[in-house]
Amino acid sequence: GESVGLHLPTLSVQEGDNSIINCAYSNSASDYFIWYKQESGKGPQFIIDIRSNMDKRQGQRVTVLLNKTVKHLSLQIAATQPGDSAVYFCAERNTGFQKLVFGTGTRLLVSP
Amino acid sequence: KAGVTQTPRYLIKTRGQQVTLSCSPISGHRSVSWYQQTPGQGLQFLFEYFSETQRNKGNFPGRFSGRQFSNSRSEMNVSTLELGDSALYLCASSLDGTDTQYFGPGTRLTVL
Repeated sequence: GESVGLHLPTLSVQEGDNSIINCAYSNSASDYFIWYKQESGKGPQFIIDIRSNMDKRQGQRVTVLLNKTVKHLSLQIAATQPGDSAVYFCAERNTGFQKLVFGTGTRLLVSP
Repeated sequence: KAGVTQTPRYLIKTRGQQVTLSCSPISGHRSVSWYQQTPGQGLQFLFEYFSETQRNKGNFPGRFSGRQFSNSRSEMNVSTLELGDSALYLCASSLDGTDTQYFGPGTRLTVL
């Protein structure tokens, strides 16, 4: 069963569209940021990460943008597919601390 | 390389009982972190172990405890279970705690 919040913000897109998921982080001292994807009944799956000395990083079909001025992180998914439907979490980590602080998550629904 | 494994996958307990959950990290990973995921509170950090020592601890009561063995496998224990302890308990491993954390599938604990 689903283990994430019942009232998550939801982004609904059509297959083939580009998706942008946003995240505001809380700690200006955070130096490492990571995006996870969580499908129903599974643990979070690593998508992409970025360190604070960068403002953009690209992976396969995904791009993460970091704006430290406004403490904002975004995940862009190109050519979204039905298999991308999941809850997406951003997480931040402060220098020297190993724990991740997670955002509340965004549910992405992709329609064929 | 095998991923993070957690056992058992599902548990049902009653109030007042105690429970032990197990996590085997990715081979070569020495850091193991535990998180609790609930619909209301999202993903929250419990504690992190590295080389058999607890390095970080979240804001959970003393009923939540853990340990790590010399082979990096970790266990967490919850004593005197309460209804509110019902959650998905996730374990994540990383090489040394400062890099990417990879999650296991979680243990779904239900307290009746």
